[in-house]
Amino acid sequence: GESVGLHLPTLSVQEGDNSIINCAYSNSASDYFIWYKQESGKGPQFIIDIRSNMDKRQGQRVTVLLNKTVKHLSLQIAATQPGDSAVYFCAEANFGNEKLTFGTGTRLTIIP
Amino acid sequence: GAVVSQHPSWVICKSGTSVKIECRSLDFQATTMFWYRQFPKQSLMLMATSNEGSKATYEQGVEKDKFLINHASLTLSTLTVTSAHPEDSSFYICSAYQGLTDTQYFGPGTRLTVL
Repeated sequence: GESVGLHLPTLSVQEGDNSIINCAYSNSASDYFIWYKQESGKGPQFIIDIRSNMDKRQGQRVTVLLNKTVKHLSLQIAATQPGDSAVYFCAEANFGNEKLTFGTGTRLTIIP
Repeated sequence: GAVVSQHPSWVICKSGTSVKIECRSLDFQATTMFWYRQFPKQSLMLMATSNEGSKATYEQGVEKDKFLINHASLTLSTLTVTSAHPEDSSFYICSAYQGLTDTQYFGPGTRLTVL
């Protein structure tokens, strides 16, 4: 299930199931969104991005959905594996302006 | 792929001393690099934008005299935490922007612990 802690929401998912991680972004003017994966003690790793002229983009085992009406972004991970355990951050920007604003993050734990 | 390194990966220092952290883009040139700070169980907070050959742009609330940034070449930016105090203990992460791919590449981070 999903819970909200003091700082970092957590999501626990059974191995093999699909995961959905949600993000509410703040700036309606943002037109470029990225999902990052961060493992403990490491820097963020790019997963997938999407521009505001799209509402869905698929990668390998991952799909990003964008709902600009409610300023909501989601990351779907299919058939989760133990290696997917990490903290996932969404980030928003204006395309062409490199400055990123990161969301709160969600800790994903895969249950064997 | 584009690789960004940071040195050191971790550092422990005494209160009142200064610490320098390096950020290097190994296989591409980056006119713009960014410095972030991340406290435990929190998100990345942008501290400053480092531009090669010019002064850094600091985010609101970040003391420019405490966090000195130097972007002396297209592949190197340094962050110096001056007169460090325990509350400066954090995970410092840099990123380098590659214009060719319009992508920010992140370094592995530097764990700073101030005693």
